[in-house]
Amino acid sequence: EAQVTQNPRYLITVTGKKLTVTCSQNMNHEYMSWYRQDPGLGLRQIYYSMNVEVTDKGDVPEGYKVSRKEKRNFPLILESPSPNQTSLYFCASSLYRGPNQPQHFGDGTRLSIL
Amino acid sequence: AQKVTQAQTEISVVEKEDVTLDCVYETRDTTYYLFWYKQPPSGELVFLIRRNSFDEQNEISGRYSWNFQKSTSSFNFTITASQVVDSAVYFCALSEALHLDGSGNTGKLIFGQGTTLQVKP
Repeated sequence: EAQVTQNPRYLITVTGKKLTVTCSQNMNHEYMSWYRQDPGLGLRQIYYSMNVEVTDKGDVPEGYKVSRKEKRNFPLILESPSPNQTSLYFCASSLYRGPNQPQHFGDGTRLSIL
Repeated sequence: AQKVTQAQTEISVVEKEDVTLDCVYETRDTTYYLFWYKQPPSGELVFLIRRNSFDEQNEISGRYSWNFQKSTSSFNFTITASQVVDSAVYFCALSEALHLDGSGNTGKLIFGQGTTLQVKP
């Protein structure tokens, strides 16, 4: 089954403790991205990757890192999480970056930073 | 700048009522795509529809219909005879265009703020 898998689904942690949210897709998609969802703001793009070893900042990249060493994986790294990074995070992938490409979203990761 | 506005933060209706969710967008591009997603209480995003800027035909899918009006930059979503299972947050989104020189379009979806629909029995 074609899917985007995020882990963990839920995480409560404390300020400053490094964490990684994994994202994996099995559709051989070139394009992957991360969004965060906050009340009243909708979803905003954090980082995106057009292919292996090619990543770039989205609209809200501060406090996050990503890597794309393999085509299928695109982890989101919070080196020193802070409470303002408490949010619902979505990973998405599409075959390539074209505007008509349907994006497949993971089921979301709810992060709480205390 | 590109922007999507969903002015209705929350809507509450009684089952079987019709309800329209508004979406207004801003873009300077002539080629773009518009989307609607549903987010049920379980949290995942469910794709509902994609429409390109050159196709202004309205679309109907069961109880769902979409009205795309380029003249008013709107892409409204109507649920006919609403049901409790329609209760969710609905997002409208705009995709950046890909320009001929390869610029633009980072693949990003620009989302509206979302409209929470509550359908009461």
